Amino acid sequence: GQQVMQIPQYQHVQEGEDFTTYCNSSTTLSNIQWYKQRPGGHPVFLIQLVKSGEVKKQKRLTFQFGEAKKNSSLHITATQTTDVGTYFCAVDRGSTLGRLYFGRGTQLTVWP
Amino acid sequence: DGGITQSPKYLFRKEGQNVTLSCEQNLNHDAMYWYRQDPGQGLRLIYYSQIVNDFQKGDIAEGYSVSREKKESFPLTVTSAQKNPTAFYLCARTLGGAGELFFGEGSRLTVL
Repeated sequence: GQQVMQIPQYQHVQEGEDFTTYCNSSTTLSNIQWYKQRPGGHPVFLIQLVKSGEVKKQKRLTFQFGEAKKNSSLHITATQTTDVGTYFCAVDRGSTLGRLYFGRGTQLTVWP
Repeated sequence: DGGITQSPKYLFRKEGQNVTLSCEQNLNHDAMYWYRQDPGQGLRLIYYSQIVNDFQKGDIAEGYSVSREKKESFPLTVTSAQKNPTAFYLCARTLGGAGELFFGEGSRLTVL
């Protein structure tokens, strides 16, 4: 089945440093979604990317979809302690909405 | 709660016992999903239902059962046949029209 590889698995940064997580697929994706899960919490939807080369921003978060639609990245500028959590990418299977393949996630720790 | 209520939040059971996790939604959504999360892993799809009295297996349905007798309810039973039942179980509904998911707060099951 379709899989997405997400790297790195862990990232520790000092507050104010930037952070990037990457999601890669061997096949062309129809779209990609990003979720954030706070420690002890549940995943929360952040954004969906659909178009080749698409770039979307949410405050300090920048999401990008590759030109070939096989990879995506989430970049956080000047991290804050509130950014702590695990960030997941997820791709759908094309046939039925909500049936997602999730990456393993990148666990972000931010030191004050 | 975004219209999705899961209970109980924490559950402990002895090995060999069946356990039923509750998922209720009050927003009249058709589609509902159950995902499983293990530490350091992404989410994996157990079962999903797109309409009352119908449900489909996901990637890891073995050892689980569901029912969808009412639109608002989609309970998951973890049977004694599930070899590694200890996990975080998340129920979800679609958030928008593109398959993005809204998750409940989850149920943490520990089998002793």
